[in-house]
Amino acid sequence: GAGVSQSPRYKVTKRGQDVALRCDPISGHVSLYWYRQALGQGPEFLTYFNYEAQQDKSGLPNDRFSAERPEGSISTLTIQRTEQRDSAMYRCASSLDKGVRTEAFFGQGTRLTVV
Amino acid sequence: AQKITQTQPGMFVQEKEAVTLDCTYDTSDQSYGLFWYKQPSSGEMIFLIYQGSYDEQNATEGRYSLNFQKARKSANLVISASQLGDSAMYFCAMRERSISSGSARQLTFGSGTQLTVLP
Repeated sequence: GAGVSQSPRYKVTKRGQDVALRCDPISGHVSLYWYRQALGQGPEFLTYFNYEAQQDKSGLPNDRFSAERPEGSISTLTIQRTEQRDSAMYRCASSLDKGVRTEAFFGQGTRLTVV
Repeated sequence: AQKITQTQPGMFVQEKEAVTLDCTYDTSDQSYGLFWYKQPSSGEMIFLIYQGSYDEQNATEGRYSLNFQKARKSANLVISASQLGDSAMYFCAMRERSISSGSARQLTFGSGTQLTVLP
């Protein structure tokens, strides 16, 4: 596609439910990143992939959070047993290659609300 | 220590004037990239400008320029001739190189500066 696509755009879920957030990066982009952004704050790194390999998951808050990118394209961020503190905007970004100078393109994000 | 520091939570500028948004960074890498993104109230993240650590010239993109002072580890964004549409949140970000893999790591963002352009 033309840009990074995330779905759903909005998700309201009850506390304790599992949610899966999807990211479809720009075609051919090697690197894919997940961020979480609270209102009025900068994006906070969660995890990233080069191709299908998860390079760094140090930003995942706890073991309820996991991510995968099995075929090196679409990625899913899963949050198990959601809690109210998980409510935030979840953003996905992709970049063409693994270079330092390559900018990342962001999707519109998924607004998660846990009630 | 914070990797990216943006000390101005909010800034105001008169339309048509220039404004500088501050950004300082912390890294021990020799090779890194610095980025500025704009986030309007609609929520999208828009890439504005890039500066590489080895670039000798300050980056420019239209009305945006980057005042890069490597020794001071600062990468301030200058917006000339401000327009009402420039009102937005602005984020400074850095990408370093992974020691183990040699490839770039994730972008690390600052806390942002909310710019308001006054008519």
